[in-house]
Amino acid sequence: DTEVTQTPKHLVMGMTNKKSLKCEQHMGHRAMYWYKQKAKKPPELMFVYSYEKLSINESVPSRFSPECPNSSLLNLHLHALQPEDSALYLCASSQEGEGAGSISTDTQYFGPGTRLTVL
Amino acid sequence: DQQVKQNSPSLSVQEGRISILNCDYTNSMFDYFLWYKKYPAEGPTFLISISSIKDKNEDGRFTVFLNKSAKHLSLHIVPSQPGDSAVYFCAASVLRAGKSTFGDGTTLTVKP
Repeated sequence: DTEVTQTPKHLVMGMTNKKSLKCEQHMGHRAMYWYKQKAKKPPELMFVYSYEKLSINESVPSRFSPECPNSSLLNLHLHALQPEDSALYLCASSQEGEGAGSISTDTQYFGPGTRLTVL
Repeated sequence: DQQVKQNSPSLSVQEGRISILNCDYTNSMFDYFLWYKKYPAEGPTFLISISSIKDKNEDGRFTVFLNKSAKHLSLHIVPSQPGDSAVYFCAASVLRAGKSTFGDGTTLTVKP
């Protein structure tokens, strides 16, 4: 299984709503990532979890709250978002976090993304 | 300061010919480089990578070349096929630092 799955595929929410994005992988990867991608722009890193601990937070506003319940799952909780937060949210995973022994650890496997629209 | 740059937003190539996509970087600490391919409405897909200890890596129709002194890498696709039409992102990382820095992407169109 070399797949990263994300649900939902599309999400429309109001600025007062609370919603969550979900990501799952069963490749045994120990690093998981959230990216935000706007049209015609590269993926922009938001968070990195390594061995289920938050290791990188790229100064993301607190209206985005990540959670890693176990090594296969990654959530992104959304609350009080703004219209400018509308984007494609991508989840990715890679083989291992810190202390890895393989040169391929930095290769990330991406999910298909959740297209988020904030009204 | 954009550390990874893909200066050509788009490239159009005839089927069967070679496609050359370029990428420049500024951070001399980067030691691992990757190319990803992205179709519309999908996440990026890993294509090929190269470590800074090499200057070339080949996988089928795809070859990545690294010129460390020039801080430049390129992706060669030969022969190009219409199915190769996609956005190609170059990414660079300090190995095992936990994150990659992406370029802006180059949209490749391969015409039949």
